[in-house]
Amino acid sequence: QSVLTQPPSVSGAPGQGVTISCTGSGSNIGTGYGVHWYQQLPGTAPKLLIYDNVIRPSGVPDRFSGSKSGTSASLAITGLQAEDEADYYCQSYDSNLSVVFGGGTKLTVL
Amino acid sequence: QVQLVESGGGVVQPGDSLRLSCAASGFTFSNFDLHWVRQAPGKGLEWVAFIRNDGSVKYYADSLKGRFTISRDASKNTLYLQMNTLSSDDTAVYYCVRDPEGAMGPFDYWGQGTLVTVSS
Repeated sequence: QSVLTQPPSVSGAPGQGVTISCTGSGSNIGTGYGVHWYQQLPGTAPKLLIYDNVIRPSGVPDRFSGSKSGTSASLAITGLQAEDEADYYCQSYDSNLSVVFGGGTKLTVL
Repeated sequence: QVQLVESGGGVVQPGDSLRLSCAASGFTFSNFDLHWVRQAPGKGLEWVAFIRNDGSVKYYADSLKGRFTISRDASKNTLYLQMNTLSSDDTAVYYCVRDPEGAMGPFDYWGQGTLVTVSS
């Protein structure tokens, strides 16, 4: 069982938007540690998508955005495209000296 | 460009040991903290271990029960993971990742991964 909780799956039609939640606790997200998001396309290594809650690395489309409030964070994807179909993971740091990941969310573009 | 290239994976028997390597290039190795992250087949990401840029601090996932050791060699620009007393639960792709902020994330570069299979 993952320390950070994500929905196992979300789906949306092309052009629509989806939101993926990431729920933690007072020992990780709630302490102010940054939340980071990764996209893993089938058969490839994860790629950094959003870091420090809201920042997009160079090259990541602005269709992807992050937010954080209290002990939770969210990844929003607008204007869904077929190539967005992937697994998405949130990540933060826990005050017990460990990196923590969410269980991952599989995005299906209908 | 930044590259992280893992090697050393393979098929081993339960109870065996294995050492993974990660060759780094394209950045100043001694300036960056590094981690190992693993992913069991069809499962999510699991953090394994961390080492500070100068090797002075190391942290491990509690679930490893002291069986793994992370180390680095600045003269070879290489990160290592020594894995002992392997079990089927350790079967996974092991990724070497770079931590640019030194804050236990984010991980801006990932290697391609090396597969470790523990099977009798």
